Amino acid sequence: DAGVIQSPRHEVTEMGQEVTLRCKPISGHDYLFWYRQTMMRGLELLIYFNNNVPIDDSGMPEDRFSAKMPNASFSTLKIQPSEPRDSAVYFCASSGSGTGKSNEQFFGPGTRLTVL
Amino acid sequence: GNSVTQMEGPVTLSEEAFLTINCTYTATGYPSLFWYVQYPGEGLQLLLKATKADDKGSNKGFEATYRKETTSFHLEKGSVQVSDSAVYFCALSDPNRDDKIIFGKGTRLHILP
Repeated sequence: DAGVIQSPRHEVTEMGQEVTLRCKPISGHDYLFWYRQTMMRGLELLIYFNNNVPIDDSGMPEDRFSAKMPNASFSTLKIQPSEPRDSAVYFCASSGSGTGKSNEQFFGPGTRLTVL
Repeated sequence: GNSVTQMEGPVTLSEEAFLTINCTYTATGYPSLFWYVQYPGEGLQLLLKATKADDKGSNKGFEATYRKETTSFHLEKGSVQVSDSAVYFCALSDPNRDDKIIFGKGTRLHILP
């Protein structure tokens, strides 16, 4: 099993540019989560999907952020326009409802975003 | 609402020392409890879990016991190694409400050789 795959691993861009982060969840998992991690705020849940449908996007910081899941094997997180305060590590995680009560999440390696 | 509180770091110990990282939680119902570990430059990975009161989760020499009476899930290891240096997150989920996991703020652990 390849695990959760994220791309790119590193992204450096200039303020005002559009940034797209990509995630491929573990095959068969029906939940997908996007997190942001910074030193100041720690780990924050941005949005999560169940069966490709967004369930809770209350953690999305503002309208500049959007996420989609067009199919069970792919999701994107887009920032447009990007700002320096968006610099962080963005993690994607997936889990399967068939895992029972424990709801274990499997994390990808993260995308380190730097906005200059 | 559900929440997790864990001790602030960083925690610095010498190799072979005993480790305790405290974690308490607030939740309605009967949550599942987790410890996740994040090694430098990597994503979080599950270290251990417990799904009901008095359960003990264990892995790689780490242990934590689900204590409902004290709403705690403290992480312990009898003899730490330099390779245990990482950030440790206590977390809970309430599968009867939703499928989110609520994470604590994390505790950074440094082990000195």
